[in-house]
Amino acid sequence: NAGVMQNPRHLVRRRGQEARLRCSPMKGHSHVYWYRQLPEEGLKFMVYLQKENIIDESGMPKERFSAEFPKEGPSILRIQQVVRGDSAAYFCASSPPGLSTTGELFFGEGSRLTVL
Amino acid sequence: AQSVTQLGSHVSVSEGALVLLRCNYSSSVPPYLFWYVQYPNQGLQLLLKYTSAATLVKGINDFEAEFKKSETSFHLTKPSAHMSDAAEYFCAVSAASGAGSYQLTFGKGTKLSVIP
Repeated sequence: NAGVMQNPRHLVRRRGQEARLRCSPMKGHSHVYWYRQLPEEGLKFMVYLQKENIIDESGMPKERFSAEFPKEGPSILRIQQVVRGDSAAYFCASSPPGLSTTGELFFGEGSRLTVL
Repeated sequence: AQSVTQLGSHVSVSEGALVLLRCNYSSSVPPYLFWYVQYPNQGLQLLLKYTSAATLVKGINDFEAEFKKSETSFHLTKPSAHMSDAAEYFCAVSAASGAGSYQLTFGKGTKLSVIP
């Protein structure tokens, strides 16, 4: 049973370019979460999605960041016009509907974005 | 709102010695509590969780944690450290967010080093 799959694992972008990070949840999981990890910091919640719905985006920056989880295909975290401060590890996590009520999450290995 | 404080960003123990990683939480509602472990360049793996059943929770690799409501603590222990335990450990609390979902809030992490 494949775990949460994220790609790319490493992404390098120049300032002003766009970054797209993809996440396929575990089989049977319909809830997806995105977290950002900065050096020496814990993981910060960004957004929680279910299929075709954004449930909670209270952690998303107001500009340049967007997320989607379409009916078919992976969840995508999109960062437009990247700046150096966007350099971080971005983790996707998933959960089945029942476990989402306790918060237990299953994490991917992360996508590490470097902005030059 | 909930928060997590992990005391000590770095902890070093000798191989075979007791491991104690401290975590205190703040939550306005009964919390669910978790410990996750992160190995270098990998995602987070769940070590153990407290979901309002037994206050002493046993996890993988002989780790355990005790929920103490009076102290708002959820410290992680292991009787005898092994070299393979060297990793970063994150304590997390889950509680209902304003958007009707359960949001996982992480501490900043504690890096455990094991000295041979």
